[in-house]
Amino acid sequence: QKEVEQDPGPLSVPEGAIVSLNCTYSNSAFQYFMWYRQYSRKGPELLMYTYSSGNKEDGRFTAQVDKSSKYISLFIRDSQPSDSATYLCAMTGVWTGNQFYFGTGTSLTVIP
Amino acid sequence: DADVTQTPRNRITKTGKRIMLECSQTKGHDRMYWYRQDPGLGLRLIYYSFDVKDINKGEISDGYSVSRQAQAKFSLSLESAIPNQTALYFCATSDHNYEQYFGPGTRLTVT
Repeated sequence: QKEVEQDPGPLSVPEGAIVSLNCTYSNSAFQYFMWYRQYSRKGPELLMYTYSSGNKEDGRFTAQVDKSSKYISLFIRDSQPSDSATYLCAMTGVWTGNQFYFGTGTSLTVIP
Repeated sequence: DADVTQTPRNRITKTGKRIMLECSQTKGHDRMYWYRQDPGLGLRLIYYSFDVKDINKGEISDGYSVSRQAQAKFSLSLESAIPNQTALYFCATSDHNYEQYFGPGTRLTVT
């Protein structure tokens, strides 16, 4: 079983839609949960991070972590064509040797 | 100028050749990482280093070696390249538990 599971998509939505991206994980020692965005032919860039359980909002983006279910989500409101990218979840923790474990990424296309 | 740079950006090489990928950073971070990215497999950790004297194997270190020449420089070597090492390679740095900064990537093709 992989440490982090993520549906690869692809996901295609109309402009203005609400997008939901999800990951599940198996290691309860993870403490930090991140979402990265990767545009084509670019390196990933950090979008949001959350420590432990809870919600975090940043503009049109909301990250949720449910440690009891080992499930994290990223919501994008009022999606824009510029949001078209691959979104990767990532996790780490002190007790996991501070290594980062990534999902395979979900490809998102927002259609104007 | 970019905070994390990688050279070369693209490389085609033949089976059995030795190749080195280089990474430099100006962020002043102690932690540096090498990943490879393959379609359907995501990012997988090859090696990581938490300071100049610290080198650790990641998930897929076989066939690779690294050198941390200075705080700002971390090189990845393929001693004898093979076709299944064809991939996109990323260097990353980190100063915290949660935030990594990635370079632009090196696209390596082994024929």
